[in-house]
Amino acid sequence: EVQLVESGGGLVQPGGSLKLSCTASGFIFSDSIVDWVRQASGKGLEWVGRIRRKADNFAPAYAPSVSGRFTISRDDSQNTAYLQMNSLKTEDTAMYYCTRRRIVPGLFDAFDIWGQGTMVTVSS
Amino acid sequence: DIVMTQFPLSLPVTPGEPASISCRSSQSLLHRNGFTYLHWYLQKPGQSPQLLIYLGSNRASGVPDRFSGSGSGTDFTLRISRVEAEDTGVYYCMQTLQTPLTFGGGTKMEIK
Repeated sequence: EVQLVESGGGLVQPGGSLKLSCTASGFIFSDSIVDWVRQASGKGLEWVGRIRRKADNFAPAYAPSVSGRFTISRDDSQNTAYLQMNSLKTEDTAMYYCTRRRIVPGLFDAFDIWGQGTMVTVSS
Repeated sequence: DIVMTQFPLSLPVTPGEPASISCRSSQSLLHRNGFTYLHWYLQKPGQSPQLLIYLGSNRASGVPDRFSGSGSGTDFTLRISRVEAEDTGVYYCMQTLQTPLTFGGGTKMEIK
């Protein structure tokens, strides 16, 4: 079965750190771009960042709201991507989804697989 | 950053009737390669988002043909020819032309 499974969410104090994992199965993970998207309760979707493939030098990109605090990495041998979150703020409280951005040049380009999400709560 | 604006925010619909959602971007989503980097997602209650339409007008695998996407440049529309009860949820447009990637604020579709 093609799927992404997030883990690592929980309760953390403001200023603290947390590392989320996104583990893939059912497809060739190393060929995939992985993005993270978050959603505060009752709010819309917000793109957090992404990491490209080895062929693209694992190039990351981040939303301005998390740049300098969050780091995305990956371990293709473990079919897993990570979101390291530092200096957490109360406004980072959200459900965090990982998603696969599949690109077939000239034919397809979209987030076609989403995980079920993992909840992060930043509160004292 | 590219700002995505959706309307309406809320859309009550009657089963069997058509529905449409609009999305406007603050700059053109047409890439020099000829493709338009606008996509539509549906988030059903309690679920993760799911892809409906990619690159402006292409239905994703398994999406019923009652869903269609159209538009160009900065103005886009998602249409449902005949709404069914299972179409309830929040619809989002999204651009992937440039980072930061951005979503519209969402349109909540509810069945009357």
